[in-house]
Amino acid sequence: GAGVSQTPSNKVTEKGKYVELRCDPISGHTALYWYRQSLGQGPEFLIYFQGTGAADDSGLPNDRFFAVRPEGSVSTLKIQRTERGDSAVYLCASSFVQGHEQFFGPGTRLTVL
Amino acid sequence: QQPVQSPQAVILREGEDAVINCSSSKALYSVHWYRQKHGEAPVFLMILLKGGEQKGHDKISASFNEKKQQSSLYLTASQLSYSGTYFCGTEVAMDSNYQLIWGAGTKLIIKP
Repeated sequence: GAGVSQTPSNKVTEKGKYVELRCDPISGHTALYWYRQSLGQGPEFLIYFQGTGAADDSGLPNDRFFAVRPEGSVSTLKIQRTERGDSAVYLCASSFVQGHEQFFGPGTRLTVL
Repeated sequence: QQPVQSPQAVILREGEDAVINCSSSKALYSVHWYRQKHGEAPVFLMILLKGGEQKGHDKISASFNEKKQQSSLYLTASQLSYSGTYFCGTEVAMDSNYQLIWGAGTKLIIKP
């Protein structure tokens, strides 16, 4: 079956611009996670969805970051007024329920110039 | 809050054994282990749920000492395919949820 997919695979933008990153989880997975990974570091938790609702958004660094999952499947991570420090690989993962094995997508490499 | 992994890196010859440790300052609900190859997404290895639990998969096994808030990953008779960065994810209670907090990783290089 299809795994987790993320688009785009690469995004280059200018400082101050708005970007949207998309995640399409495995069908039937109710839990969806967004992480950010910098070079040489482990994934950094951003937000967790259970169904359509954000069950835990404590990892979002500030109010420029927002994520939605309106129908409980596809999720979009939105970053406003991008800064150079936002440059990283943004990973999405899904699992059947929270606490189970997480399946990761290939990531979106965001570069803010 | 981030778990501490040790060593940061290890270089082995094919066939040698390795141990990677993961230690947390917080009470743990579970420990997850993943391997990530360069430029790829992390891939699940195993989850340990109970204190003192040990699990194994092929020649990779792990233990979880709930009281010490530690987990160790054991790689036996390492193969070239084991190369990559190993991450432990520690599941801790955060308000009414559990959050997976990841270590900084242990880079494993296997030489023929």
